[in-house]
Amino acid sequence: AQRVTQPEKLLSVFKGAPVELKCNYSYSGSPELFWYVQYSRQRLQLLLRHISRESIKGFTADLNKGETSFHLKKPFAQEEDSAMYYCALSGSGNTGKLIFGQGTTLQVKP
Amino acid sequence: GAVVSQHPSRVICKSGTSVKIECRSLDFQATTMFWYRQFPKQSLMLMATSNEGSKATYEQGVEKDKFLINHASLTLSTLTVTSAHPEDSSFYICSARVNEGGLPYEQYFGPGTRLTVT
Repeated sequence: AQRVTQPEKLLSVFKGAPVELKCNYSYSGSPELFWYVQYSRQRLQLLLRHISRESIKGFTADLNKGETSFHLKKPFAQEEDSAMYYCALSGSGNTGKLIFGQGTTLQVKP
Repeated sequence: GAVVSQHPSRVICKSGTSVKIECRSLDFQATTMFWYRQFPKQSLMLMATSNEGSKATYEQGVEKDKFLINHASLTLSTLTVTSAHPEDSSFYICSARVNEGGLPYEQYFGPGTRLTVT
């Protein structure tokens, strides 16, 4: 079964501290993994995708197939990073369907 | 960038009535749109895939006769909650997949519609 697990509901760090938002997935094939972010009172938006291997707003995420993980990392958190973060999986077949994790609220304190 | 709108942003209806929610891609065409449901402080749950010109594909456990989806044009999909009950109260979010030139699985999300059934 396809499943995305984000074990932390809330992650609270101080400004300048490193951040790691955990994401584990379950999928039998070769999935596409994404991180979406939702800032307060705004719509969900794509942060990054694993196939692009990009860094957006200082965030990076590496797909680890052995550990079936796609953790989101940032070396120095900023207050404006405070938001809800969702890890999502899209399976093969080009259907575009996304399976979301439960979400993690990141709170960056001054 | 690609923009998806939803209308209305919030709606209150009485139990037993039906309510229609619209999802529009404003500056791009979308053969495929998706409808999600989000309960308070919970994740998005995919309800159905809306395909222009054909029947929607519903996820397991979603009643297709209760949640009617119509994707009549390349820029508009509608979700009608029929005979609404209080347990249908939720936040409904749509997304639209870019047709051409977009990366695989490139989706843009609407702002959501808050439905309250009294």
